[in-house]
Amino acid sequence: DQQVKQNSPSLSVQEGRISILNCDYTNSMFDYFLWYKKYPAEGPTFLISISSIKDKNEDGRFTVFLNKSAKHLSLHIVPSQPGDSAVYFCAARASGTYKYIFGTGTRLKVLA
Amino acid sequence: DAGVTQSPTHLIKTRGQQVTLRCSPKSGHDTVSWYQQALGQGPQFIFQYYEEEERQRGNFPDRFSGHQFPNYSSELNVNALLLGDSALYLCASSLVSGGYTFGSGTRLTVV
Repeated sequence: DQQVKQNSPSLSVQEGRISILNCDYTNSMFDYFLWYKKYPAEGPTFLISISSIKDKNEDGRFTVFLNKSAKHLSLHIVPSQPGDSAVYFCAARASGTYKYIFGTGTRLKVLA
Repeated sequence: DAGVTQSPTHLIKTRGQQVTLRCSPKSGHDTVSWYQQALGQGPQFIFQYYEEEERQRGNFPDRFSGHQFPNYSSELNVNALLLGDSALYLCASSLVSGGYTFGSGTRLTVV
């Protein structure tokens, strides 16, 4: 049972435009969410996080939105740059636990 | 400042053999988690070590075991290797409740 789902395996966006990556979850006990970026032959790199007490968190070009009622979060990248081309994973952790559950990833390609 | 260091980077083993993977956490981090990432999948939690104890375990058989040393470094051991154990093994370090810093992983191939 996949508790964290990224239903779009890939996404292509023109340089300078907005990239929106989506993530859905099923466990209402999740209270902390992360986004990671992964380049080939490297480990995942932390991008941005959000706690369930917030509905938005911003860091430079990256903004994460959390809709608890819909059990949905999204990552917005504005403006998108070719260097943003990578696989993006969302991850969630339930309160009282230490493990993060990852989605299967979305491959973003930013076209120059 | 060195991040998370994993060794070896690549490894080929035969079915039935045993393997040990190693991880040095980022300086200042005291918690180490291990994940398995199969091709086309997201990382799957194996276990987490804190204060040299296994603090939480994912849905992996007892063939997967680990250890954390007083200097916070960690080992992942897998016994009786199966073809399905072929994957990228990621080590992540953190402070007690913080976000992870991942290493680049060990690519294990079982033949």
